[in-house]
Amino acid sequence: GAVVSQHPSRVICKSGTSVKIECRSLDFQATTMFWYRQFPKQSLMLMATSNEGSKATYEQGVEKDKFLINHASLTLSTLTVTSAHPEDSSFYICSAEQGANTEAFFGQGTRLTVV
Amino acid sequence: DQQVKQNSPSLSVQEGRISILNCDYTNSMFDYFLWYKKYPAEGPTFLISISSIKDKNEDGRFTVFLNKSAKHLSLHIVPSQPGDSAVYFCAARGADSWGKLQFGAGTQVVVTP
Repeated sequence: GAVVSQHPSRVICKSGTSVKIECRSLDFQATTMFWYRQFPKQSLMLMATSNEGSKATYEQGVEKDKFLINHASLTLSTLTVTSAHPEDSSFYICSAEQGANTEAFFGQGTRLTVV
Repeated sequence: DQQVKQNSPSLSVQEGRISILNCDYTNSMFDYFLWYKKYPAEGPTFLISISSIKDKNEDGRFTVFLNKSAKHLSLHIVPSQPGDSAVYFCAARGADSWGKLQFGAGTQVVVTP
């Protein structure tokens, strides 16, 4: 299947700093990527849809100024958690699809811990 | 509101037996359903999917059944193997929401020797 790479896999940062997470589709072009968040023992919740060359679309309740998404190319989307706080500690996962009615391929996820 | 529900948080099954995971949904606009397997600190891995125009899809040890009238789907794994121990997520997607998946809460499967 298609490969989606996410980096870093784990990051610890101080409260108030910003953290950038990268999501790359390695062997296909993805005009649209998706960012999810998973809290412990809970489901994956969609945060936003990342569109190449345009603004991201955020789900209800997700602060767009806090979670900055940039989709600069057909193979790269970035999520920046700005002014991170301990409550932002979570597992962040990106996904991409090769086309309509195909399965979504997920990155490995990023464990963010804000101390 | 949770549109995809997995009401069994955990399932224990003996190696070689069948594992049956259940999933219910409420949104009749969902037209594509997927099952993912997930290990801790890793992204979900796709297992199998089914379109709403079908009622069964089989791939090796994995079979997914869809009952549209009941808004219910299930994943059968047979025979279960120790490597199947993981969290399984049911996900659904609407025709107008390409790529946007609604996930269930997951079912932790433990396969015992």
